[in-house]
Amino acid sequence: AQSVTQLDSQVPVFEEAPVELRCNYSSSVSVYLFWYVQYPNQGLQLLLKYLSGSTLVKGINGFEAEFNKSQTSFHLRKPSVHISDTAEYFCAVIPISSGSARQLTFGSGTQLTVLP
Amino acid sequence: DTGVSQNPRHKITKRGQNVTFRCDPISEHNRLYWYRQTLGQGPEFLTYFQNEAQLEKSRLLSDRFSAERPKGSFSTLEIQRTEQGDSAMYLCASKGQVTDEQYFGPGTRLTVT
Repeated sequence: AQSVTQLDSQVPVFEEAPVELRCNYSSSVSVYLFWYVQYPNQGLQLLLKYLSGSTLVKGINGFEAEFNKSQTSFHLRKPSVHISDTAEYFCAVIPISSGSARQLTFGSGTQLTVLP
Repeated sequence: DTGVSQNPRHKITKRGQNVTFRCDPISEHNRLYWYRQTLGQGPEFLTYFQNEAQLEKSRLLSDRFSAERPKGSFSTLEIQRTEQGDSAMYLCASKGQVTDEQYFGPGTRLTVT
């Protein structure tokens, strides 16, 4: 089984400041890792994903994340946030195993609020 | 490609009533997932279809819940004898064979009064 922990439920930050949203996971098998964003009353949109290769992955809207296998972490970063980045952010994993549903296991989310 | 659509977007029902939600996946996607999201939490997996076959169900899916995907196209999720604890956002996602990326619909928000 897999579990995902997002250490901060709420992160307030001023506009144009850098931000880091933390994510740690636990799994008995290798996983793929994802970050999704959810705006109010909307579904989830994929920001970025790590499948293999370079541990630093770049996504949409200027976000990036770094996979650290030894620390089982996948923290999300943005060097300069905008008001429009205000949203809920979810870290998620999928087990790399054949024959399974490969459903996403999500963390509980981090509400990012960008202040003017 | 118009994305994943879900109907209705909002549903208010009284306790004990039955409700049905519909999900239309991206047309070429053969895999379809249902998730439930309660306030302040991440989505939780409910069930999975590959084409028309329901291959996996979560323990969250009590016997009051049933899902179908006739002909491997759209899917429906029915909740019988709704309870207040069923109030949540119900999300549908679809996926193709090649990628591991799931594409989510806008969700159906259920409120049981």
